[in-house]
Amino acid sequence: AQKVTQAQTEISVVEKEDVTLDCVYETRDTTYYLFWYKQPPSGELVFLIRRNSFDEQNEISGRYSWNFQKSTSSFNFTITASQVVDSAVYFCASTGGGNKLTFGTGTQLKVEL
Amino acid sequence: SQTIHQWPATLVQPVGSPLSLECTVEGTSNPNLYWYRQAAGRGLQLLFYSIGIDQISSEVPQNLSASRPQDRQFILSSKKLLLSDSGFYLCAWSQGTFNGEKLFFGSGTQLSVL
Repeated sequence: AQKVTQAQTEISVVEKEDVTLDCVYETRDTTYYLFWYKQPPSGELVFLIRRNSFDEQNEISGRYSWNFQKSTSSFNFTITASQVVDSAVYFCASTGGGNKLTFGTGTQLKVEL
Repeated sequence: SQTIHQWPATLVQPVGSPLSLECTVEGTSNPNLYWYRQAAGRGLQLLFYSIGIDQISSEVPQNLSASRPQDRQFILSSKKLLLSDSGFYLCAWSQGTFNGEKLFFGSGTQLSVL
């Protein structure tokens, strides 16, 4: 069974600071996918990134970057130069055998001026 | 382009009353459909998923049921609501059975059972 742990319940930073959101996953599958979703105050979850278990190359998209390390079963998410609009709940999730996402409990990020 | 509609946005219901939440998807055919619940301070829990009309899988035993009367319609129901049914309900869809398919979510329904 899949399990995703986001140990950080809430993080507060000041605008322009860098912030890293941690995600640790557990799986017995050799093929799996990892995701990050953003949930702004409006409630709708917005897809950010998907990585498969065979691709450990880190990815950068603008101010967002992701660090996937199979050796530590982690898929951490870094926001560089955070902005107030980044304030949201961020969810890490994984799939294994089957097409069902298992979500972590989310990290509430608050970016203040 | 594909869109997903979910309604109502908010709902306040007394204990013991029935429930019906509806979700529809446009711009695609034969989607996989999902109902998730997000309790306060917790992650998203998968309640039901469907790979086709009248094909519903339940993930957790509960007071709720789901139906898929049409290809792009997914309904979450209850005959008698419990206090513990309160939460934020999200409908989602994905295309295909590939296990890495990303999900697209509706805007959610905040249900308060009083």
